[in-house]
Amino acid sequence: GPKVLQIPSHQIIDMGQMVTLNCDPVSNHLYFYWYKQILGQQMEFLVNFYNGKVMEKSKLFKDQFSVERPDGSYFTLKIQPTALEDSAVYFCASSLAEGPEVFFGKGTRLTVV
Amino acid sequence: GDSVTQTEGQVTVSESKSLIINCTYSATSIGYPNLFWYVRYPGEGLQLLLKVITAGQKGSSRGFEATYNKEATSFHLQKASVQESDSAVYYCALSENQGGRALIFGTGTTVSVSP
Repeated sequence: GPKVLQIPSHQIIDMGQMVTLNCDPVSNHLYFYWYKQILGQQMEFLVNFYNGKVMEKSKLFKDQFSVERPDGSYFTLKIQPTALEDSAVYFCASSLAEGPEVFFGKGTRLTVV
Repeated sequence: GDSVTQTEGQVTVSESKSLIINCTYSATSIGYPNLFWYVRYPGEGLQLLLKVITAGQKGSSRGFEATYNKEATSFHLQKASVQESDSAVYYCALSENQGGRALIFGTGTTVSVSP
């Protein structure tokens, strides 16, 4: 079936540095999402993105977070600067405009040290 | 706010036995949410198992079934006879009945099927 690819699968970063998580969504999808899952906790919605704009974001989407998808390339989540509490697995997802089915990537495990 | 509750964090069941994973939801801001079961098999990404968008309807896939019970606000997942390959983490989720909206997940239930 359709695949969402996330690169890299694991990243370790020093606290205070910038990190960019990359996502290659399903090719004809129009909605893009990021979710965050801290170890042992539930997966939580961060943000969704459509037509070049953030549509909605949760309170977990701090000011240090930003998303973009320049010219149909990767959909990225940037964290600048990173904090220890940003350590988590980040899942990218995408969907068509009209269908409720969302396709997820395998996640990027971010470790902030 | 809206939420999804899965009471069992871990379930162990023998092959060929039946399985029920409980899911209840609270949708105070969403009148008629879409309901989903997602599954993550070992080493794989999260994938949709089944979805139901109409109250009273049943969804089914790969031998699993779940019925959207609006009165009980439940969406329990059942399978009559499990196999080892059903070992995975199962997540119940809901969203607004509109494309592109956020999914609200439960905490997940890890199912281990023993031979």
